[in-house]
Amino acid sequence: DGGITQSPKYLFRKEGQNVTLSCEQNLNHDAMYWYRQDPGQGLRLIYYSQIVNDFQKGDIAEGYSVSREKKESFPLTVTSAQKNPTAFYLCASNPTGDMYGYTFGSGTRLTVV
Amino acid sequence: AQSVTQPDIHITVSEGASLELRCNYSYGATPYLFWYVQSPGQGLQLLLKYFSGDTLVQGIKGFEAEFKRSQSSFNLRKPSVHWSDAAEYFCAVSAGGGNKLTFGTGTQLKVEL
Repeated sequence: DGGITQSPKYLFRKEGQNVTLSCEQNLNHDAMYWYRQDPGQGLRLIYYSQIVNDFQKGDIAEGYSVSREKKESFPLTVTSAQKNPTAFYLCASNPTGDMYGYTFGSGTRLTVV
Repeated sequence: AQSVTQPDIHITVSEGASLELRCNYSYGATPYLFWYVQSPGQGLQLLLKYFSGDTLVQGIKGFEAEFKRSQSSFNLRKPSVHWSDAAEYFCAVSAGGGNKLTFGTGTQLKVEL
């Protein structure tokens, strides 16, 4: 079945370390997105990519980086510059130009200690 | 810029009772509107969407929503709630152009047996 796979589901890191969250989709979708979710704040857009080798900053890109070398993959790196990295991270995708909503992965909960 | 307001942070209903979750949006033209549901620790699942046409849209799991342009609202309804409907519900809006969605802060639904 097609879908989005995020791994790992839980991730623990020490403060000051960079960490990379994986997002892979086999839906043949052009666009991919990273959201951060904190209690009471909804989902906030970190980065998005509408085509391979291209991506744009979202509303809260500071302290994060991404790459889009393959259509299927859109990894997110949480750098040591991110002041409050502990959160639930969600990856999503959709076909560019198609407004039939996003398909979401099951998320990665990152805890920085 | 587009925005979404979900005025109710928490709602509690009895099983079998009717449900209405409120959503107000801010956008000049006719937006694309969505409702998503999220179970604890999981990704988001699309319940229904509105693009144009009939202002009453049907979704999965017995949910429906009505677009009211005059009130800038897109409220989610269900005639009879089941205990399995307990989850967090998010309203989202898009103005197009890159297909980016803006999410509300969510409404947590509790169902009393």
